[in-house]
Amino acid sequence: ETGVTQTPRHLVMGMTNKKSLKCEQHLGHNAMYWYKQSAKKPLELMFVYSLEERVENNSVPSRFSPECPNSSHLFLHLHTLQPEDSALYLCASSQDLGQGHSYEQYFGPGTRLTVT
Amino acid sequence: AQKITQTQPGMFVQEKEAVTLDCTYDTSDQSYGLFWYKQPSSGEMIFLIYQGSYDEQNATEGRYSLNFQKARKSANLVISASQLGDSAMYFCAMEGYSSASKIIFGSGTRLSIRP
Repeated sequence: ETGVTQTPRHLVMGMTNKKSLKCEQHLGHNAMYWYKQSAKKPLELMFVYSLEERVENNSVPSRFSPECPNSSHLFLHLHTLQPEDSALYLCASSQDLGQGHSYEQYFGPGTRLTVT
Repeated sequence: AQKITQTQPGMFVQEKEAVTLDCTYDTSDQSYGLFWYKQPSSGEMIFLIYQGSYDEQNATEGRYSLNFQKARKSANLVISASQLGDSAMYFCAMEGYSSASKIIFGSGTRLSIRP
């Protein structure tokens, strides 16, 4: 089993749809992250969960709603997205040093999201 | 405020040559970590190397080494004996360890290795 898995790998959704991205880590880490990677923009941190508690919410629009039911699973619920939300969404995990800070993060393969 | 700058959008290097990818940073945190990640065309970000701000020695991991110059606020990645499989995007990242800081990534450098 690979360290961090994400499903689906590709997703096309309309602006009125509701969908969820799933991330699972098998590394025994206690922190998980959602990132957005748009073309020609630096990787943007969206949310951080440490010990299942959200410690970072980077002014992300409310149409993105994270959920962390346990330290191994992380979801990103999507609703009424805009075309500019089309991007690669990456999940990562790490061993938290406190306040959501850590050494290295391990990333999943990402979900390529297209909003039509 | 925190800032990461990668000034090389793209580089071409001959196979087996060494290559240096530039990264400069700015932070007001006294303690911070510097990271390099590799992103092949498949999309997955792969951790390469970590340098803590208080580490006195430059980090090394196999063919990767980090040329850390704290006074100049630079953290360049050196890849020795480049291989075709090194062709990818490379991102420098920094995380300040104060409670208000978060991890930030540079814009990346696309490295292409020529056979």
